Amino acid sequence: AQKVTQAQTEISVVEKEDVTLDCVYETRDTTYYLFWYKQPPSGELVFLIRRNSFDEQNEISGRYSWNFQKSTSSFNFTITASQVVDSAVYFCALSVVAGGFKTIFGAGTRLFVKA
Amino acid sequence: GAVVSQHPSRVICKSGTSVKIECRSLDFQATTMFWYRQFPKQSLMLMATSNEGSKATYEQGVEKDKFLINHASLTLSTLTVTSAHPEDSSFYICSARLPEASNPYEQYFGPGTRLTVT
Repeated sequence: AQKVTQAQTEISVVEKEDVTLDCVYETRDTTYYLFWYKQPPSGELVFLIRRNSFDEQNEISGRYSWNFQKSTSSFNFTITASQVVDSAVYFCALSVVAGGFKTIFGAGTRLFVKA
Repeated sequence: GAVVSQHPSRVICKSGTSVKIECRSLDFQATTMFWYRQFPKQSLMLMATSNEGSKATYEQGVEKDKFLINHASLTLSTLTVTSAHPEDSSFYICSARLPEASNPYEQYFGPGTRLTVT
């Protein structure tokens, strides 16, 4: 069975601080995709990144960066120099071939960035 | 990128009535659509997988007679909550997957429908 664990329920930081959101996943499949989504108060999911299981290269996009480590089944997300607009719920998700490409979401981490 | 719309964005209905939520892929054909439910401050839980022209596949614990899903065309899937009760109040989100020829892992989410049952 597939599982995604986001152990941090809520994180509160002050603007300009760096913050890392943890994600640990479980799957027996060798082919899978990992995702991060942002959900602002409006509710609409915002896609941030997709990474396949064969690509362990870390990625940086502006203030966002992702660290994928298959050895620890982790796909962590770091926001550098956080801003108030980063306040949202962030979901890590997993999609596998065997599941018909169904996407399993973690519980989410609520990030508060204070001015 | 591909766009998925949902209608209505918000709906309030009385207990015992039925309500239909539409999910449309606007600029692509989606052979598969997914329906999720999200209770306040909780994660998205997959309810069912909707395949065009065939019966939906429901996740364990989801009542198929209560949550009717119809995927009659390649751009439209509907979720009907029958005999709604206050506990059905939730945020319902659909997603659509690109056809098999494209990246099957790529799915696009609709903006969600907030259902309140009074």
